[in-house]
Amino acid sequence: GQNIDQPTEMTATEGAIVQINCTYQTSGFNGLFWYQQHAGEAPTFLSYNVLDGLEEKGRFSSFLSRSKGYSYLLLKELQMKDSASYLCAVSKVTGGGNKLTFGTGTQLKVEL
Amino acid sequence: DTGVSQDPRHKITKRGQNVTFRCDPISEHNRLYWYRQTLGQGPEFLTYFQNEAQLEKSRLLSDRFSAERPKGSFSTLEIQRTEQGDSAMYLCASSSGQAPSGNTIYFGEGSWLTVV
Repeated sequence: GQNIDQPTEMTATEGAIVQINCTYQTSGFNGLFWYQQHAGEAPTFLSYNVLDGLEEKGRFSSFLSRSKGYSYLLLKELQMKDSASYLCAVSKVTGGGNKLTFGTGTQLKVEL
Repeated sequence: DTGVSQDPRHKITKRGQNVTFRCDPISEHNRLYWYRQTLGQGPEFLTYFQNEAQLEKSRLLSDRFSAERPKGSFSTLEIQRTEQGDSAMYLCASSSGQAPSGNTIYFGEGSWLTVV
């Protein structure tokens, strides 16, 4: 089975930096995804890490350590519109495709 | 590239009725997924198609649920004899399976189901 843990809620200040952690236990690991989800909307793809290390994409970066079963999403220069749920998802190979197992999400609130 | 499209976006139905959702994946994406999401939870995997073949089904997908992708393009998810516990957002997603970003899964806007 797969077990994914991430904090339920976080609060940060506009303009600041926030790090959202995700730990996982899984077999057949095929990568880790981060998605952003605003209330009532579908998840939007942010990043995909399959190898160890840091992937940077503008204000967002994602890090993966496969040996530790650990990832984080780093958001810089926070804006009010970054208030959303951030979902960590572990990918496992299935029948030629990849199946995602999601954590429950971290609700980020950005304040003035 | 118009993204993953789902229809209807919202559906309210009476308990016991059947409902069907349609998904049009991103053009030329051969992999299509259905997920279900309830409030405060992450999406849960329901089923996966590669082209027209349904290659995996979750145990969450009871006998009342059936999904098809007859020509390997659009897909439908039907729920028969709906129950209040079926109320959720049903998400469709697709991926290309082609390097370099073939494993990236893109979600549609979801179909909200409310069973009353």
